[in-house]
Amino acid sequence: DAGITQSPRHKVTETGTPVTLRCHQTENHRYMYWYRQDPGHGLRLIHYSYGVKDTDKGEVSDGYSVSRSKTEDFLLTLESATSSQTSVYFCAISEPGPDTQYFGPGTRLTVL
Amino acid sequence: KNEVEQSPQNLTAQEGEFITINCSYSVGISALHWLQQHPGGGIVSLFMLSSGKKKHGRLIATINIQEKHSSLHITASHPRDSAVYICAVGAGTASKLTFGTGTRLQVTL
Repeated sequence: DAGITQSPRHKVTETGTPVTLRCHQTENHRYMYWYRQDPGHGLRLIHYSYGVKDTDKGEVSDGYSVSRSKTEDFLLTLESATSSQTSVYFCAISEPGPDTQYFGPGTRLTVL
Repeated sequence: KNEVEQSPQNLTAQEGEFITINCSYSVGISALHWLQQHPGGGIVSLFMLSSGKKKHGRLIATINIQEKHSSLHITASHPRDSAVYICAVGAGTASKLTFGTGTRLQVTL
């Protein structure tokens, strides 16, 4: 299995609080992704990174920011969490181009 | 934006049955992925293909580029195959994927 960890694995927070989720990889893959998974929707891309300090928005990026200061770490921040951001968040990694994506175990976030 | 449709949404089969899950997409792609998600959430990549057919154990994935359609087949299904199967497509450089909503498969004894 690809070495991808996510922390925390579960989090409950209140509306308006900041939240940071961490994705850590040991595979030295260049590309990293943050997705959210909600009932009735496929996985949806929030942000992705194609290298250190190189990031771009996905289809559901409003309310989220990311940072990647090292190859191995990709952080997702909810500046002011809302109930609509209650979801399961997955990190994934790949190499550039058509390539298999390897997924982390997921973080279940509940915003009350 | 590519639209990805999977069918059926839910599927129940008895152990040993041959299973087919379908995926259609609307725009030309460079690669199609099949993924598996077991209860409890972990997502595993099964196949990535851009033409023809791939086989791994009891799983077979096919793609018809002209018809914009792919199928995932499971031969001799087993209860441990119970999971959600997800189709995803990538266009251009194909790093950004569009996902279907998944097919929930339950295999009973």
